[in-house]
Amino acid sequence: DGGITQSPKYLFRKEGQNVTLSCEQNLNHDAMYWYRQDPGQGLRLIYYSQIVNDFQKGDIAEGYSVSREKKESFPLTVTSAQKNPTAFYLCASRAPYSGNTIYFGEGSWLTVV
Amino acid sequence: AQSVTQLGSHVSVSEGALVLLRCNYSSSVPPYLFWYVQYPNQGLQLLLKYTSAATLVKGINGFEAEFKKSETSFHLTKPSAHMSDAAEYFCAVSDPPGGTSYGKLTFGQGTILTVHP
Repeated sequence: DGGITQSPKYLFRKEGQNVTLSCEQNLNHDAMYWYRQDPGQGLRLIYYSQIVNDFQKGDIAEGYSVSREKKESFPLTVTSAQKNPTAFYLCASRAPYSGNTIYFGEGSWLTVV
Repeated sequence: AQSVTQLGSHVSVSEGALVLLRCNYSSSVPPYLFWYVQYPNQGLQLLLKYTSAATLVKGINGFEAEFKKSETSFHLTKPSAHMSDAAEYFCAVSDPPGGTSYGKLTFGQGTILTVHP
């Protein structure tokens, strides 16, 4: 089935460590996104990529990094510079010619211990 | 800059009652508007979207929303609530094609809907 796969679903990180969240899609979408969700704050855009080998910062990019070497993949690295990384992270992609319809993966929980 | 305000972080209804979730937006250009639903520990699922066609938009699971430009609103309704509707609902806005924010969604804070038997 086509879709967006995020892994791992749950991840624990020690303070000072970098971690990478995986996002893979087989929908042939050009645009991909990473959002962060905190209770009561909705979703906030971290990074987005409109095409392979290109990406832009969103509203809360500090302490995060991404790469877009393949159309199917858009991994997110949460670095030790991110002061409050515990959150639910959602990857998404946009269907072309769809009225800006964005589809989401199932999310990844990151907890700093 | 675009913004979305969802009035009421929690809404509680009885099964069979009308569901009304409120969303107001701010946008400098005619917006595209969306409602998403999220069940616990899952991603977001699109319920419906407004993209400048009919102002009354019908979505999945019996939900609909009406775009009212004069009120800058896009409230979500369902005539009769079901227990399975209990979830968190998000309203979102983006620019239309050609706009600087096209391709990016700005979300509201979310409204948790509780349905009582």
